[in-house]
Amino acid sequence: QSALTQPPSASGSPGQSVTISCTGLSNDYNHVSWYQQHPGKAPKLLIYEVSERPSGVPDRFSGSKSDNTASLTVSGLQAGDEAAYYCSSYAGSNNLVFGGGTKLTVL
Amino acid sequence: QVQLQESGPGLVKPSETLSLTCNVSGYPIDYSIGHSGFYWAWVRQPPGKGLEWIGNIHHSGTAFYNPSLKSRVTLSVDTSMKQFSLTLTSVTATDTAVYYCARRDLKYYFDLWGQGTLVTVSS
Repeated sequence: QSALTQPPSASGSPGQSVTISCTGLSNDYNHVSWYQQHPGKAPKLLIYEVSERPSGVPDRFSGSKSDNTASLTVSGLQAGDEAAYYCSSYAGSNNLVFGGGTKLTVL
Repeated sequence: QVQLQESGPGLVKPSETLSLTCNVSGYPIDYSIGHSGFYWAWVRQPPGKGLEWIGNIHHSGTAFYNPSLKSRVTLSVDTSMKQFSLTLTSVTATDTAVYYCARRDLKYYFDLWGQGTLVTVSS
């Protein structure tokens, strides 16, 4: 199974919005999730089922999906948002796949 | 508060077997009242690289593996000990990674993670 495709990097200034894409998804499933990972830390769940936020995740983080591409939008960028972001999706046949990750820089 | 904690050797020799255990606290690993229960998963991350799903196991013993690792991976669960384990055979340097255990929802997302443990494959 191939990894999902994400841009290696993204950037934005404080207060701006940034969108990170994740391509290669199946049209058959909406089990898409997003994770934030700060250096040296474990990943943290940000979004599940394309656009659902777990309790405690700010609404500055939002997700969407169109055809075979999912997107994570971070609004009102803050310094603490500087991290790596990974998408993940169900790939059928009880398999899961991650994207290659996107490093977000807050300028 | 649910917590997951990985444990195991930090150094494994090439061609040998990597074994890790994840201890689960604050949540019964076999809880399934009103719910089919979670899956318990392993994810790894080579230094400076992205995440790779290794596999996951249900407390019933049903397990699913990444096809690329399936021939070398075995997951097991011990509900009495509140832990689940990973065994990876015939390791090489490419298996050097931080290994995370995680809780996987039925809808295929990982809502809880351990802190991770670095395993280096080297002679």
